[in-house]
Amino acid sequence: QQQVKQSPQSLIVQKGGISIINCAYENTAFDYFPWYQQFPGKGPALLIAIRPDVSEKKEGRFTISFNKSAKQFSLHIMDSQPGDSATYFCAASNDYNTDKLIFGTGTRLQVFP
Amino acid sequence: NAGVTQTPKFQVLKTGQSMTLQCAQDMNHNSMYWYRQDPGMGLRLIYYSASEGTTDKGEVPNGYNVSRLNKREFSLRLESAAPSQTSVYFCASSLSNYGYTFGSGTRLTVV
Repeated sequence: QQQVKQSPQSLIVQKGGISIINCAYENTAFDYFPWYQQFPGKGPALLIAIRPDVSEKKEGRFTISFNKSAKQFSLHIMDSQPGDSATYFCAASNDYNTDKLIFGTGTRLQVFP
Repeated sequence: NAGVTQTPKFQVLKTGQSMTLQCAQDMNHNSMYWYRQDPGMGLRLIYYSASEGTTDKGEVPNGYNVSRLNKREFSLRLESAAPSQTSVYFCASSLSNYGYTFGSGTRLTVV
């Protein structure tokens, strides 16, 4: 019942490079798309989120790009730093479903100096 | 500190034993959730509670039960633990379905 597909499973990037993580969804009723960041031994924490009425949202070095027609969204981390090394989860939910987020399978990002 | 508190942080059980994972939040959130995290599987919803007094099954409810004791507390019970329940368990809460706040997790090993 995987409604949100995330890739790649792991990603290695050099310091200063761009990290890109992609997600695709199936349910056209989804209208909220957050990204969560998880450091080892910690719970996930909300990083950035987007609604489908915009195609891009930027917060500092983190940008979400959203393609409604393709049912895809992606996280771009500019000028990647070793401190960005973490697992990233995309998620989606339906505004009319007050219950739950559906998460992707996660991407482990490693940024090397 | 405001947030979601989970206990215990670590637990080892023998097959067939029972235990309850505790979760409490102090943010006056309505909704609470239990997820399990397994390598390559992401976060899978076990049970959730949209409000005090209500609970519903998620994607992987088999082998688990939950209790929403009050608005603050949401517990997860394993009646007869199995090795397949070895996982990291996360509790989360939210005011709506936006902006979940997660606890720091319980690492459970069933031998």
